[in-house]
Amino acid sequence: DAGVIQSPRHEVTEMGQEVTLRCKPISGHDYLFWYRQTMMRGLELLIYFNNNVPIDDSGMPEDRFSAKMPNASFSTLKIQPSEPRDSAVYFCASSRQGRQPQHFGDGTRLSIL
Amino acid sequence: GENVEQHPSTLSVQEGDSAVIKCTYSDSASNYFPWYKQELGKGPQLIIDIRSNVGEKKDQRIAVTLNKTAKHFSLHITETQPEDSAVYFCAALYSGGGADGLTFGKGTHLIIQP
Repeated sequence: DAGVIQSPRHEVTEMGQEVTLRCKPISGHDYLFWYRQTMMRGLELLIYFNNNVPIDDSGMPEDRFSAKMPNASFSTLKIQPSEPRDSAVYFCASSRQGRQPQHFGDGTRLSIL
Repeated sequence: GENVEQHPSTLSVQEGDSAVIKCTYSDSASNYFPWYKQELGKGPQLIIDIRSNVGEKKDQRIAVTLNKTAKHFSLHITETQPEDSAVYFCAALYSGGGADGLTFGKGTHLIIQP
């Protein structure tokens, strides 16, 4: 079975540019999570969806961050405008309704210059 | 919200010896505790998990113990091998029928010395 697929794997862009990260969850999974990993803060939850509906976005750091899930097989995390402090590895994870565990993708390493 | 503390941050053991990583959590309502292994350039991969109605769970060389009263849980790896070298994360969440985001510890860098 295909796992969680994220793209791009690496992104380098200049401050102020718009960044879009993409995620394809495991087929049949009803929950999708976005996490961010930094040396200082570790792994932290940004937002999660259930059946394509955002449930909790309290972890989204600022209004510059937005996430969408237009259908069950695709989600995006957008940063506009990007800043150097947004540099991190962003992970997407998915899980079945009412069940653990969460399965993680291999992440997008984002560098904002 | 939940807070998870993990110790040590770095652990170096001789190949063949055992390794123990400890975590504490703050929310007594938490009832699910997974452990993830992360290798360089990869996402976290689940290695074992435990629910609050179980005190111990074992899978070959890996075991997890849970003390609900003290609110701490531990990962035990026996007969360590070079491929066990990685960063290990504990996590906790309250899974009340739905699914919520995991709260992670800060990670333990496990180094297996040959």
